[in-house]
Amino acid sequence: GNSVTQMEGPVTLSEEAFLTINCTYTATGYPSLFWYVQYPGEGLQLLLKATKADDKGSNKGFEATYRKETTSFHLEKGSVQVSDSAVYFCALAQGGSEKLVFGKGTKLTVNP
Amino acid sequence: DAGVIQSPRHEVTEMGQEVTLRCKPISGHNSLFWYRQTMMRGLELLIYFNNNVPIDDSGMPEDRFSAKMPNASFSTLKIQPSEPRDSAVYFCASSRRTINQPQHFGDGTRLSIL
Repeated sequence: GNSVTQMEGPVTLSEEAFLTINCTYTATGYPSLFWYVQYPGEGLQLLLKATKADDKGSNKGFEATYRKETTSFHLEKGSVQVSDSAVYFCALAQGGSEKLVFGKGTKLTVNP
Repeated sequence: DAGVIQSPRHEVTEMGQEVTLRCKPISGHNSLFWYRQTMMRGLELLIYFNNNVPIDDSGMPEDRFSAKMPNASFSTLKIQPSEPRDSAVYFCASSRRTINQPQHFGDGTRLSIL
């Protein structure tokens, strides 16, 4: 079946550090890929998405590129801020389906 | 625009009691999803509806759980009888029924069963 594997956290960085959160997936066909972010006490929010191979999703300084050859969708940001502290979820939707399959989430803490 | 609205935000009750969680999706969205989030199991899809009709309830853990969507603007998730292992944060999300449209999540209901 479809699945998403994220690097285990927690991840702790200093402000302005470079961030990478790894995400790999298993799926048949050509899924769409997403990153969601969950701030404390809130629900998940869509951060970015990519719907086909080699697409790059970007938002708020975050980027992720859909790599079909490595079945990966790693999240990156060049310079993190304290306000980026949150839990990040990688997810996929199998082509044509509305159901999202989520990874277990990676907690990021950014210290000043 | 108002987002997805869930109530209550917090619920504490004793085991054996009936619990009802409520959700109002975003107006114009015709898909609705119920999720459960725990430390051990992460985020799990329980059930989802299209145009008020349940499409996939394979994630509903057992018969004690039931969900309804009587109209396009309201859904409930009911647990009867509740057990301590049901303690979790329950999220409702809605989306337009179009490929690759994002799901919009409510702020969740934190449920504690004593």
